[in-house]
Amino acid sequence: DTGVSQNPRHKITKRGQNVTFRCDPISEHNRLYWYRQTLGQGPEFLTYFQNEAQLEKSRLLSDRFSAERPKGSFSTLEIQRTEQGDSAMYLCASSLLWTGAKNTEAFFGQGTRLTVV
Amino acid sequence: DAKTTQPPSMDCAEGRAANLPCNHSTISGNEYVYWYRQIHSQGPQYIIHGLKNNETNEMASLIITEDRKSSTLILPHATLRDTAVYYCIVTYTGNQFYFGTGTSLTVIP
Repeated sequence: DTGVSQNPRHKITKRGQNVTFRCDPISEHNRLYWYRQTLGQGPEFLTYFQNEAQLEKSRLLSDRFSAERPKGSFSTLEIQRTEQGDSAMYLCASSLLWTGAKNTEAFFGQGTRLTVV
Repeated sequence: DAKTTQPPSMDCAEGRAANLPCNHSTISGNEYVYWYRQIHSQGPQYIIHGLKNNETNEMASLIITEDRKSSTLILPHATLRDTAVYYCIVTYTGNQFYFGTGTSLTVIP
């Protein structure tokens, strides 16, 4: 088990371009979460999946953002027409179905740092 | 989910216990208290969580007051590698966490 893997680790893009990030969760984890973190702030929730179903989306997830988890395994987060305000660390996490019991906590990846110039 | 209040920063001498407080006065009966930490430029790392009882694992201890309105994370013997931002989170769904700005702990040699 190699933990939650995110690619790429860093991405620099020009304003207006589209970008896509990938997250590979811990195998057998049926929940997958996306968070965004800007400098000096804690991570902010964007959305989460249970298997392939996207069950909750934050108001932060504007219509330029789309996330998918087509086969209930890896997930992608796409940002269309990037803006400078999209510059942030995008974090992915995964967990078993949460019950509050031990071993249902979320494990985070190292994140993808996006810089929009 | 209830919100939490944490001091913005704390220092601790290496080898001493680090006691990080968290206020969650509006917590409801079925909300859990989670602690995560984030070392610079890395993803958050799970530390410990609890509902009502005190908890201990290989990383830390969690002390929850009887009225559950506050808790303390204890790192028994702080090392330089424990320098990080520590987040206290309460949740009853586990669907999303509100991290806030956390406590920046600096362990001093």
